[in-house]
Amino acid sequence: EIVMTQSPATLSVSPGERGTLSCRASQSVSNNLAWYQQKPGQAPRLLIYGASTRATGIPARFSGSGSETEFTLTISSLLSEDFAVYYCQQYNYWPITFGQGTRLEIE
Amino acid sequence: EMQLLESGGGLVQPGGSLRLSCAASGFTFSSYAMSWVRQAPGKGLEWVSAISGGSGSTYYADSVKGRFTISRDNSKNTLYLQMNSLRAEDTALYYCAKERGTNRANAVDIWGQGTMVTVSS
Repeated sequence: EIVMTQSPATLSVSPGERGTLSCRASQSVSNNLAWYQQKPGQAPRLLIYGASTRATGIPARFSGSGSETEFTLTISSLLSEDFAVYYCQQYNYWPITFGQGTRLEIE
Repeated sequence: EMQLLESGGGLVQPGGSLRLSCAASGFTFSSYAMSWVRQAPGKGLEWVSAISGGSGSTYYADSVKGRFTISRDNSKNTLYLQMNSLRAEDTALYYCAKERGTNRANAVDIWGQGTMVTVSS
């Protein structure tokens, strides 16, 4: 099973600043990596797939990068609506696995 | 608008069974692989099971293998999850999820709102 490790567990950032979230895979997953945003009481929302492709309707301030084992989600200028929990997911191998999540909170 | 609507959750005793259903609308159901993903209270996301668009292939997390069965009825645009031998650790919100592709694993682009399963005596 591929283990996905996200860091940090909690990230405190001020609105308007940049937020950088990391995800590491225990072995190469090529670019088969997705990022999701989840707000309290809501289902997750797909942000990024293929490591760097924004999903439909996702603002350009969200960007993904990386390949193989190291991935990054960057939010260029944080809005209040961006404070949430973010998950990475690999879908290169069965079983599909998620990271444990990074909570992005207002500093 | 693409939508997924889960049903069938509830309170069940350990060792019991439940069948979850997910009604899909707004897209060609048979063209896409589908998954179930769960989230225990206050915890992260855990992938449970997936099925290819034509039902030819099914996949399970080790934690549910041999106890859960995923299936689909493309004529009814409905996904199912039969859950047997339920344990306390199966307590979670179960999401129905549409994958971006047909056969191999892919990212989930549409999520339902979830149905809660509670396993307790």
